[in-house]
Amino acid sequence: EIVLTQSPATLSLSPGERATLSCRASQSVGSYLAWYQQKPGQAPRLLIYDASNRLTGVPARFSGSGSGTDFTLTISNLEPEDFAVYYCQQRTDWPPITFGQGTRLEI
Amino acid sequence: QVQLRESGPGLQKPSETLSLTCTVSGGSISNYYWTWIRQSPGKGLEWIGNIYYTGSADYNPSLKSRVSISVDTSKNQFSLKLTSVTAADTAVYYCARESWFLRFRYFDYWGQGTLVTVSS
Repeated sequence: EIVLTQSPATLSLSPGERATLSCRASQSVGSYLAWYQQKPGQAPRLLIYDASNRLTGVPARFSGSGSGTDFTLTISNLEPEDFAVYYCQQRTDWPPITFGQGTRLEI
Repeated sequence: QVQLRESGPGLQKPSETLSLTCTVSGGSISNYYWTWIRQSPGKGLEWIGNIYYTGSADYNPSLKSRVSISVDTSKNQFSLKLTSVTAADTAVYYCARESWFLRFRYFDYWGQGTLVTVSS
């Protein structure tokens, strides 16, 4: 099973700042990693697939990068609605499909 | 717009079988994979298993002995059964659709989730 480790667990920033979230895989997942955003009381929402491709409708301030075992989600110029929990997910080696434990982005 | 909605009992007793159904509207269940994911209170996301509309299913090895997922294309529904539940199975259960994005599938549509509590 591929374990995804996200850091930091909590990131405290202010609107307008830049957020950098990390996801590290226990073995290579190539470029096949996704990022999801989850707000309180809501289901996760797919933001980024294949490490760096934004889903249609996702603002350009969200960007993903990385390959192999190290990945980054960057949110530039934070908006108030961006404060949420972010999860990375892989399915290169499955079952099982696995998620990271999440990074809480708080104001 | 595709919508998914989970339904089923919100309270289960230990050792019972958890049964949930996901109803898909706004699109056909055909030609897609459909998945169940759960989230324990205050914790992360755990993939339970998925099923293709033809009925072929895969499960998380950690739950495989207790899980069964089925599909009813005539009702545009798929279902989850989890046997011998314990308090550790208390979670919000989500159903989701998997769509192909280039080489792999990711979860692009989700239900709102349903909380299942296991307690005597």
